[in-house]
Amino acid sequence: EVQLVESGGGLVQPGGSLRLSCAASGFTVSSNYMSWVRQAPGKGLEWVSLIYGGGNTYYADSVKGRFTISRDNSKNTLYLQVNRLRTEDTAVYYCGGSPRVLHLYGMDVWGQGTTVTVSS
Amino acid sequence: QSVLTQPPSASGTPGQRVTISCSGGNSNIRSNTVNWYQQLPGTAPKLLIYTDNQRPSGVPDRFSGSKSGTSASLGISGLQSEDEADYYCAAWDDSLNGPVFGGGTKLTVL
Repeated sequence: EVQLVESGGGLVQPGGSLRLSCAASGFTVSSNYMSWVRQAPGKGLEWVSLIYGGGNTYYADSVKGRFTISRDNSKNTLYLQVNRLRTEDTAVYYCGGSPRVLHLYGMDVWGQGTTVTVSS
Repeated sequence: QSVLTQPPSASGTPGQRVTISCSGGNSNIRSNTVNWYQQLPGTAPKLLIYTDNQRPSGVPDRFSGSKSGTSASLGISGLQSEDEADYYCAAWDDSLNGPVFGGGTKLTVL
């Protein structure tokens, strides 16, 4: 079964850091298009980061220089290291992959979401 | 403010056909394909349409996508109560060199 399971969210103070994890089963993270998308409370979806191919990456301007997307092939897991967090980073973070339709920004499998709350 | 513009809301009655629009520009919709996502309350997004008009396996053929110039549309025929959700278009933007979502449209089934 194709599945993504996320973890790592929590409550953190402004300026703090977290590492979000997204463990995949049923397909290989390293050979698929993988993304992180977030949704602030009551707001729409925002594409945060994307990794594809040999390690090509995309970051939204709002997180560039603070967030880092990476993969661990041995663990078949996607990560998002989030540093220098701001209150506006408070959101549910979803990881997504495209093992079925194989589309760069067509995520056809999603994790359940992990909540990041930035507050003092 | 997204570079892709969607109406904030849409509505229809059961059995009706509704259309949701997504307006962009030369750097996104005109030059790249459009995907559509459905998000039911409290759940992760679900890919509904990819590459303008392709449906992933398992998506009913009541859902259809089209594109012309700098605009795209999602059509839902035979509207059902379970279609009540938020719908988002997405496209690659050459200026941003990344994917972007529209602001989303909340569909209400009356």
